[in-house]
Amino acid sequence: ETGVTQTPRHLVMGMTNKKSLKCEQHLGHNAMYWYKQSAKKPLELMFVYNFKEQTENNSVPSRFSPECPNSSHLFLHLHTLQPEDSALYLCASSQEAKPLFFGEGSRLTVL
Amino acid sequence: SQQGEEDPQALSIQEGENATMNCSYKTSINNLQWYRQNSGRGLVHLILIRSNEREKHSGRLRVTLDTSKKSSSLLITASRAADTASYFCATDASDDKIIFGKGTRLHILP
Repeated sequence: ETGVTQTPRHLVMGMTNKKSLKCEQHLGHNAMYWYKQSAKKPLELMFVYNFKEQTENNSVPSRFSPECPNSSHLFLHLHTLQPEDSALYLCASSQEAKPLFFGEGSRLTVL
Repeated sequence: SQQGEEDPQALSIQEGENATMNCSYKTSINNLQWYRQNSGRGLVHLILIRSNEREKHSGRLRVTLDTSKKSSSLLITASRAADTASYFCATDASDDKIIFGKGTRLHILP
């Protein structure tokens, strides 16, 4: 139990579906992150939120839409995804970026 | 853009031996962090070393940092089967970005 909970753990969706990934942290941290982990690639930083404000959007396609309603919750809304978007999506939180506490990830498969 | 790069990409050693993994990075950093990931799971933070530190220990882990060479190493002593995992270095350059390398896959042989 890391204090960061991600749901769902596994998700299969078609290219025309709309779904959302959810992340919740119980650590009182001020920053939350989305990372994408694909096979044989480094973890890719997607979005950073600091005190609910987005401070980083790492050239992520608009078919990924983050939402941070408060400093404990982070969502990643997905629609019209492509098969190459299949990956493990990891949420993390931190206090002033040191260190990161990760959730267990959401394994996404796009058919 | 990728900051840290681990070496080797994969490492297999006998249980009880020491495992050494290296990380090189490109720009100035505030600190460097090492993480571990079991297959299909989230990453777990192992140790953080600040830019003004040269060496740090935590249990069987020893981390060194050479800012002049922009490199770090992670040593796991007396390895155990449970140490089998992927290990990542990550750099913090104080801009809210913590950037990871591709990782080293460590396999401990019984």
